[in-house]
Amino acid sequence: QQQVKQSPQSLIVQKGGISIINCAYENTAFDYFPWYQQFPGKGPALLIAIRPDVSEKKEGRFTISFNKSAKQFSLHIMDSQPGDSATYFCAARPVRDDKIIFGKGTRLHILP
Amino acid sequence: GAVVSQHPSWVICKSGTSVKIECRSLDFQATTMFWYRQFPKQSLMLMATSNEGSKATYEQGVEKDKFLINHASLTLSTLTVTSAHPEDSSFYICSARTGRHGYTFGSGTRLTVV
Repeated sequence: QQQVKQSPQSLIVQKGGISIINCAYENTAFDYFPWYQQFPGKGPALLIAIRPDVSEKKEGRFTISFNKSAKQFSLHIMDSQPGDSATYFCAARPVRDDKIIFGKGTRLHILP
Repeated sequence: GAVVSQHPSWVICKSGTSVKIECRSLDFQATTMFWYRQFPKQSLMLMATSNEGSKATYEQGVEKDKFLINHASLTLSTLTVTSAHPEDSSFYICSARTGRHGYTFGSGTRLTVV
């Protein structure tokens, strides 16, 4: 079964620090790796996404690093702010498929 | 940007009754819609995929007779939870394809069955 494994389950970071969330996958046939941010009682919102032909993508304070050979990708949040406190999900989409497979999520708390 | 409007945002119903959740794509045509269920502090679990004008494809273990999905138009998909029971209480979220790499999620519906 195709899986996306996410860690840590929860993370506490001081304001201004760097938040790092890691994901790994077990199937090479993925062609799209998005990260979603979800606040309590809301649907997920796309934060940033990367395709496997790119090793890094940066958008503002958010950076995805992608290691195709290791089948790993990570989200870095620079200068973390209390407003970043949310649950973050990594995900992957299998090639020739529409559905998104989600990781189990990371609950991030930024200390003020 | 693409917006998916999901209603209601929360609903409480009595055990044995049915509840309908609607998702509308406001400024684009959603040929494919996904329905997810999310239990507290857990990830999103895909329930089914629906394509406009055809029957939905359900994930393994999801009762198709209990969770009725209708995608009769390019802008509206509905999920009906039939004969709801307390164990159906959950957060239901729809998502629509907005292009090759785009997925837009609704704001979710909190269903509580009492």
